[in-house]
Parts: sequence; C-alpha cells; structure tokens
Amino acid sequence: EAGVAQSPRYKIIEKRQSVAFWCNPISGHATLYWYQQILGQGPKLLIQFQNNGVVDDSQLPKDRFSAERLKGVDSTLKIQPAKLEDSAVYLCASSLDRTGETQYFGPGTRLLVL
Amino acid sequence: GDSVTQMEGPVTLSEEAFLTINCTYTATGYPSLFWYVQYPGEGLQLLLKATKADDKGSNKGFEATYRKETTSFHLEKGSVQVSDSAVYFCALSSSNAGNMLTFGGGTRLMVKP
Repeated sequence: EAGVAQSPRYKIIEKRQSVAFWCNPISGHATLYWYQQILGQGPKLLIQFQNNGVVDDSQLPKDRFSAERLKGVDSTLKIQPAKLEDSAVYLCASSLDRTGETQYFGPGTRLLVL
Repeated sequence: GDSVTQMEGPVTLSEEAFLTINCTYTATGYPSLFWYVQYPGEGLQLLLKATKADDKGSNKGFEATYRKETTSFHLEKGSVQVSDSAVYFCALSSSNAGNMLTFGGGTRLMVKP
C-alpha cells in the first residue's frame, strides 16, 4: 500500500514570495491533515479536511495561508506572502475517518524562507 | 486546552541500556495516547498507542502504559539499539477536540555503540 505522498521535499524562497505544497493521501482515507513543524518543536495542526470539507482550521493563519481539497482526494497548502517565521517542515497526514483512527504521515516538505 | 509535556533531550545512551522517556498530558475527557517516532530524514511513524486507562501499547520492544491517575504515558525499552536513534513524540487525541492530534515537543534519542 502506497503511503502519503508530498511534494516538493524541499523549497527555498524569499520572504513575500508565494509557495504551494501538494499532498496525496493514502487511497480511501477520508480525512486529511496539514501540520506545521517548526525546528525543535512538535507538529501543530493547521487544518483538517473530511473528504472535501474543512473540519477544523482554527490554527490556520488565514491572512496568508490557504488550503483546498477540491475533489476530496489530494490537497494543496499555499502560503502567500511568506514570512521568515514560516520556515518549517509542513507535514501531511491522512486517516480512514475522524474517529481517532491512526494518522499516517508523509515525509514532509521542508520550507526555508530567506 | 489539551497539552502534552515530555522530557527534553537529547537523551544519550549506550547500546543495550534501559530507556525511559517521560510524557504527561492535560486533557478533558478520555483521550487516546500515542508515541510517534521520526527517524532521520523520514516522516513520523506511529510507534504505539493506547486508547483507555491501564491499556499498554507495545511495538518493536517499546512499551507505554496509559496511567490516568498520574496522567502519564511514559515510553520504555529494556535494551536500546543504535537503530533506535530518532526523535520520539508523545501525542494525544481527544474526541472533545475533533480527534486532532496534540503533540509534545519531542525527545531526541542518541544511542552509541
């Protein structure tokens, strides 16, 4: 069974530029999560989707971050414009449903904002 | 809100030593508890989990027991190997919070031959 796929693996941009990350969850997983992991810290949930609907985006900085999962499968997370403090690893995870099933994580996208 | 506190690292051990990584939590209701591991250059992997009080999760020689009375979920292994070197994250999910995962800050383990 293929795992959670993410691209790109690494991205370097300058502040005020925009960037987008892509995630393809495990086939059949209804729930998709985006986390931000700042160096030396645990991951922090940014947004949770159930199929193509948003379940929780309370910690998403909506003035600059946006995410979509239009067809209920793959998802895109965008930052526009980026700030220095957005430098982090962005992790995508998926699970079968919302009932506390195990979440499976992708390898992450490491973003450096200069 | 929910929170997880785990011991700061790095923890440096010799091969075959006993490992304990402490984890305590604060949550409303009855959360599920998890340990995730992140090997160098790889994504987070579920190591073990426990869903109710007194449950013991185990995998790959690692164990952790859900202790509701002390709100703890300490990770233990009797004999570590060099290949166990990684960052370990304690986490909880609560139905009161939409089953989102709340992570601790992570503990880096380094095992020397």
